[in-house]
Amino acid sequence: AQSVTQLDSHVSVSEGTPVLLRCNYSSSYSPSLFWYVQHPNKGLQLLLKYTSAATLVKGINGFEAEFKKSETSFHLTKPSAHMSDAAEYFCVVSADFGNEKLTFGTGTRLTIIP
Amino acid sequence: GAGVSQSPSNKVTEKGKDVELRCDPISGHTALYWYRQSLGQGLEFLIYFQGNSAPDKSGLPSDRFSAERTGGSVSTLTIQRTQQEDSAVYLCASSLRLAGSGTDTQYFGPGTRLTVL
Repeated sequence: AQSVTQLDSHVSVSEGTPVLLRCNYSSSYSPSLFWYVQHPNKGLQLLLKYTSAATLVKGINGFEAEFKKSETSFHLTKPSAHMSDAAEYFCVVSADFGNEKLTFGTGTRLTIIP
Repeated sequence: GAGVSQSPSNKVTEKGKDVELRCDPISGHTALYWYRQSLGQGLEFLIYFQGNSAPDKSGLPSDRFSAERTGGSVSTLTIQRTQQEDSAVYLCASSLRLAGSGTDTQYFGPGTRLTVL
């Protein structure tokens, strides 16, 4: 079985300061890990994905995440927050076998303070 | 190119009625997935298609839910005798799912918001 835990349901940061959204995963197999973003009334958009290549993954809009197997973590970071980053962020795991169905975390709502 | 499309975008129905939700995947994508996003349950997997067959239906919450896919393309999710707890946003995703390519990216549609009164 696979699962992800997003450690914060809500994160608030000031514009221009760093963003850290935390995620821990559990998987019996070599996992693939993703971060998706959902803006209000918009669909889910892929930010980045990890599939056992480089452990530091760079995504769109300046986001990146580091896969740490020893800590079973896949935290999302951005050096400097922008107002447009305000959205819901989902950490997602997919077992690297079978049908690749996605298991979603409960989401972290990111608020940017002007 | 065109992304995943879903119709209708919004559906309001009365308890006990049947509803059909449609998904048009990205052209050429062999894998299609249905998910549900609700306040109480978050985002949860419903069913997976590879071509026209559904090897994994494990997420369908009851036998009132069914889905089919024809021509390896369009998929329809049907909910019979709708209940208020079926109210949610139903999301469709598709991926290339090439053999031996590892985990493909799933591209999501905008969703259908279902409200059961």
